[in-house]
Amino acid sequence: ETGVTQSPTHLIKTRGQQVTLRCSSQSGHNTVSWYQQALGQGPQFIFQYYREEENGRGNFPPRFSGLQFPNYSSELNVNALELDDSALYLCASSLGGSSSIYFGEGSWLTVV
Amino acid sequence: QQQVKQSPQSLIVQKGGISIINCAYENTAFDYFPWYQQFPGKGPALLIAIRPDVSEKKEGRFTISFNKSAKQFSLHIMDSQPGDSATYFCAASSTSGTYKYIFGTGTRLKVLA
Repeated sequence: ETGVTQSPTHLIKTRGQQVTLRCSSQSGHNTVSWYQQALGQGPQFIFQYYREEENGRGNFPPRFSGLQFPNYSSELNVNALELDDSALYLCASSLGGSSSIYFGEGSWLTVV
Repeated sequence: QQQVKQSPQSLIVQKGGISIINCAYENTAFDYFPWYQQFPGKGPALLIAIRPDVSEKKEGRFTISFNKSAKQFSLHIMDSQPGDSATYFCAASSTSGTYKYIFGTGTRLKVLA
């Protein structure tokens, strides 16, 4: 157990809808990263938040957005869902300045 | 230049054998190389990690070997057990700025009883 919790665990959305995924970081960790893992692939970096500011972004369109709250928890929002957005969305927390990141169990998103 | 190439894609090993998974990178700015283990339906779990100032790191049955000049690193699982059957991912990151991890494509390991 990493202490990183994500919700919901599974959800199904229709193309064009919007979704919000939530993450609580491990106690004491102030940095949260989000990754997308398609079936059979390695995780791909979406973005990272540190002290409530976006601190780096991968090759994902602006319809992927996020927030980090003062308690270091985080949200990932995806607008205008597309079929290709179907994936496991992973949240990882770390202590700023530490290289080790710890993943939650993920949120499985299916877009139909 | 941002890729991490991982091989083999799948691996079958007898119980008690040695499992070896290899990764190669191109970006010389990478200076942190972790390995993750992922079971079906679960998130990746950090297994072991190495920095380029050492050539080998061992934790229990898991060993990372690192070759800086060749820009390659590998995971060795000694005395492989059926419970080790999982997908293994290597990753690389630069510890300056955003600790963005670049992951390999994964190796599905099956250890036969």
